[in-house]
Amino acid sequence: DQQVKQNSPSLSVQEGRISILNCDYTNSMFDYFLWYKKYPAEGPTFLISISSIKDKNEDGRFTVFLNKSAKHLSLHIVPSQPGDSAVYFCAVIPDSNYQLIWGAGTKLIIKP
Amino acid sequence: DTEVTQTPKHLVMGMTNKKSLKCEQHMGHRAMYWYKQKAKKPPELMFVYSYEKLSINESVPSRFSPECPNSSLLNLHLHALQPEDSALYLCASSQPDRAAQPQHFGDGTRLSIL
Repeated sequence: DQQVKQNSPSLSVQEGRISILNCDYTNSMFDYFLWYKKYPAEGPTFLISISSIKDKNEDGRFTVFLNKSAKHLSLHIVPSQPGDSAVYFCAVIPDSNYQLIWGAGTKLIIKP
Repeated sequence: DTEVTQTPKHLVMGMTNKKSLKCEQHMGHRAMYWYKQKAKKPPELMFVYSYEKLSINESVPSRFSPECPNSSLLNLHLHALQPEDSALYLCASSQPDRAAQPQHFGDGTRLSIL
């Protein structure tokens, strides 16, 4: 069973509008959540994270929201720019502190 | 610019060849990782080194042999690989003694087995 789920394989958004990427998880004991962005032929780039003691973390155009009761987190990008077109992975660090548990990824396409 | 550097960027090898992938980080991190990534999939963890000691081996076949010569370097020695081993191999690093630190990735080596 997938412990971290990204149910949308792809998402298309108009440039300048808000992009919302979603992620669900199964284990209420998960403590630390991250978003990575990946361009083709490059490694994943760490974007933003949030710990379970918070419900929101903001960094420039990127905001991550955590809803612990729903076991759901989301990444908001506003305004969306063409350079944001990439695959976005949600990931969790469980208490082992080593193994990232990854979602399947969502391909974001920003239309001009 | 990535702070985790991997060489080579591309590698094509036959099934009988021996080659090595190299990774270097200058972030002062004491945990280093090897991942394998297939197209349209998330990275799969292969090995973890913590303080230069192998701490996790995710049941990786012995044709992959990791080595951590010092705290900045990580190698992956390859021998007698199979066509299904063709993938993007990613190196990452993080700080193991501080809770919940993100891993930082290199750009990977694109490996093709003929």
